[in-house]
Amino acid sequence: SQQGEEDPQALSIQEGENATMNCSYKTSINNLQWYRQNSGRGLVHLILIRSNEREKHSGRLRVTLDTSKKSSSLLITASRAADTASYFCATVFSTGTASKLTFGTGTRLQVTL
Amino acid sequence: DAMVIQNPRYQVTQFGKPVTLSCSQTLNHNVMYWYQQKSSQAPKLLFHYYDKDFNNEADTPDNFQSRRPNTSFCFLDIRSPGLGDAAMYLCATSMDSSSYNEQFFGPGTRLTVL
Repeated sequence: SQQGEEDPQALSIQEGENATMNCSYKTSINNLQWYRQNSGRGLVHLILIRSNEREKHSGRLRVTLDTSKKSSSLLITASRAADTASYFCATVFSTGTASKLTFGTGTRLQVTL
Repeated sequence: DAMVIQNPRYQVTQFGKPVTLSCSQTLNHNVMYWYQQKSSQAPKLLFHYYDKDFNNEADTPDNFQSRRPNTSFCFLDIRSPGLGDAAMYLCATSMDSSSYNEQFFGPGTRLTVL
């Protein structure tokens, strides 16, 4: 399987704390994307980092990428209860007819008040 | 608002009884995808359409079929659902095949097989 691994599988923090999720993958990539999924809902795209980038920011999100280690991390700063969700990294492979996402195993984040 | 819509949100079927799940999009995207997501697992791509061209993943069971009658609509047909097919089915779109495009997901249809 080409599926990536994420750790931790579950993370519980208090509001205001930072949350860090890690993703490892197996193949060469064009880019890596992070998605969020609220319970029982579809996925929402958060951020994309290209293979030639090492770090990217978007609001309270910070993503790093280390292609030599085939790993990425997602940092959510100053977490809020509304950040409670599952977070998936996805490696992207373009076939010419589609951009195929291969998702990691996901991290379930619980932010408590 | 432009979006991806899935109907129904919840579907219950009996073992072996064919079922069809529906997806529509107002984004006018070329590519539509169907994913299967089992409980506490990552979404897994079943197949995709690039315009009218159908592309099946190698490990997608023959039990799963798809139709895309026009740009806006795409259907997932499960010919003979088994208990192992109970899952969330997610439809997604992307503008084209560029790897730098994000995918837009619908809310999903949760399928229960009795």
